[in-house]
Amino acid sequence: ETGVTQSPTHLIKTRGQQVTLRCSSQSGHNTVSWYQQALGQGPQFIFQYYREEENGRGNFPPRFSGLQFPNYSSELNVNALELDDSALYLCASSLQGYQETQYFGPGTRLLVL
Amino acid sequence: AQSVTQLGSHVSVSEGALVLLRCNYSSSVPPYLFWYVQYPNQGLQLLLKYTTGATLVKGINGFEAEFKKSETSFHLTKPSAHMSDAAEYFCAVRVYYGGSQGNLIFGKGTKLSVKP
Repeated sequence: ETGVTQSPTHLIKTRGQQVTLRCSSQSGHNTVSWYQQALGQGPQFIFQYYREEENGRGNFPPRFSGLQFPNYSSELNVNALELDDSALYLCASSLQGYQETQYFGPGTRLLVL
Repeated sequence: AQSVTQLGSHVSVSEGALVLLRCNYSSSVPPYLFWYVQYPNQGLQLLLKYTTGATLVKGINGFEAEFKKSETSFHLTKPSAHMSDAAEYFCAVRVYYGGSQGNLIFGKGTKLSVKP
């Protein structure tokens, strides 16, 4: 059974640029959630996708957007990057259901200069 | 609104000593609670979770946590610390909104150091 994978592992961008981060769900999982973890903080919920539709969103601006594909993999896109977007971005996959556990990938570390 | 408070951003114990990491939550509905561990430069790994039923929950690597509704607490313990337990630990509560799975709200984390 393959776990959650994310790419790339590290990324450096400059302010104003756009970035796309990718996530492959654990086999059989149909729900993907994205979190942002700033240095020294706990992860914060960005949004969740289920059956290719956004299924919940945290307190993040519209320049944070996402996609989920038929194979349940997912992308996180961030436009007009700001210095404060520097963080570890974590993807979590799960089955849909309140009792289901979210399984996290290793994350993508983004540095915005 | 749901929230999580982890008391102590840094806890240091000696190898073989008791580990106690504190977590208090706020929730207007019966909570689902989780403990995750994060090793340096890695993602989050689930240690244990409480949903319903038995309030003492056992997890991996010898950790356990007890849900105490009256104290709104979900503290994580391990009887005897091992060097490999050095990591950052996050407590989380599940936030549910109708028709979806809901998301996790995390505490700020507690970094555990283990001295030889």
